Amino acid sequence: QITLRESGPTVVKPTQTLTLTCTFSGFSLTTRGMGVGWIRQPPGKALEWLTFIYWDDDLRYSPSLRSRITITKDTSKNQVVLEMTNMDPVDTATYYCAHTNYYGSGHHFDYWGQGALVTVSS
Amino acid sequence: EIVMTQSPATLSVSPGEGATLSCRANQSVSNNLAWYQHKPGQAPRLLIFGASTRATGIPARFSGSGSGTEFTLTVSRLQSEDFAVYYCHQYKSWPLITFGQGTRLEIK
Repeated sequence: QITLRESGPTVVKPTQTLTLTCTFSGFSLTTRGMGVGWIRQPPGKALEWLTFIYWDDDLRYSPSLRSRITITKDTSKNQVVLEMTNMDPVDTATYYCAHTNYYGSGHHFDYWGQGALVTVSS
Repeated sequence: EIVMTQSPATLSVSPGEGATLSCRANQSVSNNLAWYQHKPGQAPRLLIFGASTRATGIPARFSGSGSGTEFTLTVSRLQSEDFAVYYCHQYKSWPLITFGQGTRLEIK
């Protein structure tokens, strides 16, 4: 059974860097095809895709946030880390990580974490 | 960017009845569409992928249809646990995937 859980600060100050960790089980990011994505949802707004990381170190970023986000993986810990620099109140959102399979039946997300609410406020 | 528009924003239905949720894309996504169910405080749950294939463990009362730009999620014989927010998601333009803004299915 695949599970994912997001962890990190609940409040960050403007201009600070946000670091969120996705800890997962039930799959390995050394297995061909496995991937993890980050998605966020500001209060009352739509889901927004941020980034993907795959087993082969293929990285994909949202063009609108590419300059501010970095995704990395630690396969020994079964973790994926999202960093987002220069945080602003408009970045207040619930941040989700989710599992995907590059070689599956499409680039959908079959398992999600419960999400981590991050508020940007001074 | 492929824009996904869901309608209605809110749908009020009585338990035991059926519900039809719509999702429209501003350009063709073929059948590269998924539906998710989301309840407060819980992880979103994959219901449908490939526009019409139910994910593992999803009851048969959930069905998806459509292709190209028009898609429908139908929930028949609504049960109390089905009241939630539903999102569509296109992955035709991977990695530039996009989501609809959601339809809230509430108890009438």
